[in-house]
Amino acid sequence: SAVISQKPSRDICQRGTSLTIQCQVDSQVTMMFWYRQQPGQSLTLIATANQGSEATYESGFVIDKFPISRPNLTFSTLTVSNMSPEDSSIYLCSVEAGQGASRYFGPGTRLLVL
Amino acid sequence: GENVEQHPSTLSVQEGDSAVIKCTYSDSASNYFPWYKQELGKRPQLIIDIRSNVGEKKDQRIAVTLNKTAKHFSLHITETQPEDSAVYFCAASIDTDKLIFGTGTRLQVFP
Repeated sequence: SAVISQKPSRDICQRGTSLTIQCQVDSQVTMMFWYRQQPGQSLTLIATANQGSEATYESGFVIDKFPISRPNLTFSTLTVSNMSPEDSSIYLCSVEAGQGASRYFGPGTRLLVL
Repeated sequence: GENVEQHPSTLSVQEGDSAVIKCTYSDSASNYFPWYKQELGKRPQLIIDIRSNVGEKKDQRIAVTLNKTAKHFSLHITETQPEDSAVYFCAASIDTDKLIFGTGTRLQVFP
């Protein structure tokens, strides 16, 4: 498996501000994925982050709102920009790792926007 | 694109009974099917996954079956215990592409 950490684990932010979430993996991975989980809901893919290229965003998510960086094979950041209360969610990063190329999730960042 | 449907949305069983959760997917090219258990306030934890080259996989009390023709896969938990209570998610993807999730099943195991 993979050891995945995220920072911060939680935050309370004011509307109109931005928050950058970090994801660190203990091994090199080709792709990192960012998901959002709204309260009581399933997981929705925001974007796929490859090192050395721009992230690929899913329908309904745009780079201006959720800019992503992927400076190396073990690290990625997701920024939630110009936040509104509707952005209150858990944000999770995910990687493929292990012999079986299974998918694992980080612990998540719990964001509350007031 | 891929669409994954999951049912039931809630499932209550008596301790010791079996629980079955079913998912269907739309894209016949999907070949990776993981199941996650998510306890309150915690990350989705991978409990078992299967690829399309096998029809069944077991790990102790947990098993997953896959029917590629019908495009559905199921999670089977035998001898359920109260600590199995959680929300379970199925998902599907093509190779290393994006995982698409089902809507989740809240499992309650009563002692």
